[in-house]
Amino acid sequence: EIVLTQSPATLSLSPGERATLSCRTSQSVSSYFAWYQQKSGQAPRLLIYDTSNRATGIPARFSGSGYGTDFTLTISNLEPEDFAVYYCQQRSTWPRYSFGQGTKLEIK
Amino acid sequence: EVQLVETGGGLIQPGGSLRLSCAASGFSVSSKDMTWVRQAPGKGLEWVSIIYTSATTYYADSVKGRFTTSRDNSKNTLYLQMSSLTAEDTAVYYCARVCISVCSYAFDMWGQGTMVTVSS
Repeated sequence: EIVLTQSPATLSLSPGERATLSCRTSQSVSSYFAWYQQKSGQAPRLLIYDTSNRATGIPARFSGSGYGTDFTLTISNLEPEDFAVYYCQQRSTWPRYSFGQGTKLEIK
Repeated sequence: EVQLVETGGGLIQPGGSLRLSCAASGFSVSSKDMTWVRQAPGKGLEWVSIIYTSATTYYADSVKGRFTTSRDNSKNTLYLQMSSLTAEDTAVYYCARVCISVCSYAFDMWGQGTMVTVSS
């Protein structure tokens, strides 16, 4: 089983700042790597697929990068609506999926 | 409008069974791979199962043998039949659509979720 470890667990930043969220996998994975945003009381929303591709309607301030075992979600110029929990996901162990434990992005 | 609506959650005693439904609108569940994901209170996301357009299903080890995913194409609805439930199955259960060609098997649409509480 591939384990996804997200860091930090909590990130405290102010609007306008840049957020860098990390996800490390226990084994090298393919580019089938995604990021989701979940706001309190809501369902998750797909942000990034295939490591670096933004989903439909996702603003350009969200970007993804990485390869192998280290992946990053960057949110530039944070907006108030960006404060939420973010999850990474991998599909390398087809047909099963796994998620990271989440990073909470909170307002400082 | 394209959406997914889950129903069927509730309070169930340990050892009991429950069936969740996920009604789709705006697309056909028969033409998409569909999946279930759950989230225990205050916890992260856990993948539960997937059903392919071929009707082939796969499950997480934590639910294998106890949960069954199916669909009714005439009702455009996905189901999750859960049995031998334990407190560890307490969670919000989401159904989601698997986006294949455009977004490489990520989950591009989610329902609002339905809460399942297993307690005596």
